Amino acid sequence: AQSVTQLGSHVSVSEGALVLLRCNYSSSVPPYLFWYVQYPNQGLQLLLKYTTGATLVKGINGFEAEFKKSETSFHLTKPSAHMSDAAEYFCAVRGSGGSNYKLTFGKGTLLTVNP
Amino acid sequence: GAVVSQHPSRVICKSGTSVKIECRSLDFQATTMFWYRQFPKQSLMLMATSNEGSKATYEQGVEKDKFLINHASLTLSTLTVTSAHPEDSSFYICSARNLAGAGETQYFGPGTRLLVL
Repeated sequence: AQSVTQLGSHVSVSEGALVLLRCNYSSSVPPYLFWYVQYPNQGLQLLLKYTTGATLVKGINGFEAEFKKSETSFHLTKPSAHMSDAAEYFCAVRGSGGSNYKLTFGKGTLLTVNP
Repeated sequence: GAVVSQHPSRVICKSGTSVKIECRSLDFQATTMFWYRQFPKQSLMLMATSNEGSKATYEQGVEKDKFLINHASLTLSTLTVTSAHPEDSSFYICSARNLAGAGETQYFGPGTRLLVL
């Protein structure tokens, strides 16, 4: 079984500031981890994912995340926020291997960017 | 690549009618598609997993007779909300798993906003 906790349902930053969105997970098997972004009234867009290999993964729009097994974390960062980054962000986990492809999502973090 | 479409994007219907939502993978084949429901300002709730050529697997608490799923081809899955009621109003999102490669990534459609009057 897997679960995801996103700390902070709402994060507000100034334009140009560091973005840090927190995600902790639990999984009984090695996890695959994902970050998705959702703009209002739209579906989800994949930002980045970790499956195996390098623990620091880079995604689209300048985002990156680091898988830290010891901390069971997969926090999302971006060095400099842009107004267009304002959206809802979801962290998700699924177990690696097997045939269970179901994703478990966190509750989401709403990012607002102030001018 | 990896584009998923949904149709319609918005639908308004009267209580008691049925509504069909289509989910298509446009540039890849998907043996597995997923249907989610999202309430305002909440996360996605998985309703069912749709497998091409076989019956869908529903999550606990989801009425399979109310939410009919058909996955007739490798690029199309449909969700039919039967005898819709106002409490069925929600944002429905599908996703598809790419058959090619490791297939670990789900690609999401743009969602369908259903309003039942």
